[in-house]
Amino acid sequence: GAVVSQHPSWVICKSGTSVKIECRSLDFQATTMFWYRQFPKQSLMLMATSNEGSKATYEQGVEKDKFLINHASLTLSTLTVTSAHPEDSSFYICSASSIQGLYGYTFGSGTRLTVV
Amino acid sequence: TQLLEQSPQFLSIQEGENLTVYCNSSSVFSSLQWYRQEPGEGPVLLVTVVTGGEVKKLKRLTFQFGDARKDSSLHITAAQPGDTGLYLCAGDRAQKLVFGQGTRLTINP
Repeated sequence: GAVVSQHPSWVICKSGTSVKIECRSLDFQATTMFWYRQFPKQSLMLMATSNEGSKATYEQGVEKDKFLINHASLTLSTLTVTSAHPEDSSFYICSASSIQGLYGYTFGSGTRLTVV
Repeated sequence: TQLLEQSPQFLSIQEGENLTVYCNSSSVFSSLQWYRQEPGEGPVLLVTVVTGGEVKKLKRLTFQFGDARKDSSLHITAAQPGDTGLYLCAGDRAQKLVFGQGTRLTINP
């Protein structure tokens, strides 16, 4: 089956620093990857959609300069939280869909970001 | 405005009881999915429904997609403590997956 690996699973960083989260599709080519954010006791909110080799499409209200997304290959997308602040602390989850939607949407295991 | 309205958002019942979770929208979806999420983990797919009126069963879980493909329900029969968790519906629209608010289900022994 399709597997998506997300790394790191948790990270603590100081305010003002940047943090990079990786999302890899291990056994399939992901034409599209999605990044979600989830606050405690809430559902997943879509932040952005990225297609391999092109710029990400951000949802309304998401700062593209703060949440940098790179999808340089069919198996890797990265989310960089720049100049992180405590309010950016959240659970970030990536998802990948394959060419022709063969594997539907497969989710990573999430990254718990804590900004202190 | 939430594209997918999921209800109830919290539900606590006794072991052995039945329950239904609803997922409603005014929009049509090409497919609708149900996920279960454990704390600190990503959501895990339970089922995908594609055809209007479709019914799928997964052991004690029954999923139904509305005829107009705008709504769905999840019914659990004889709930068990192991069913405790966050259940999420998600609709596939314009090749993006959007989630309902989630239902936090607690089954008490």
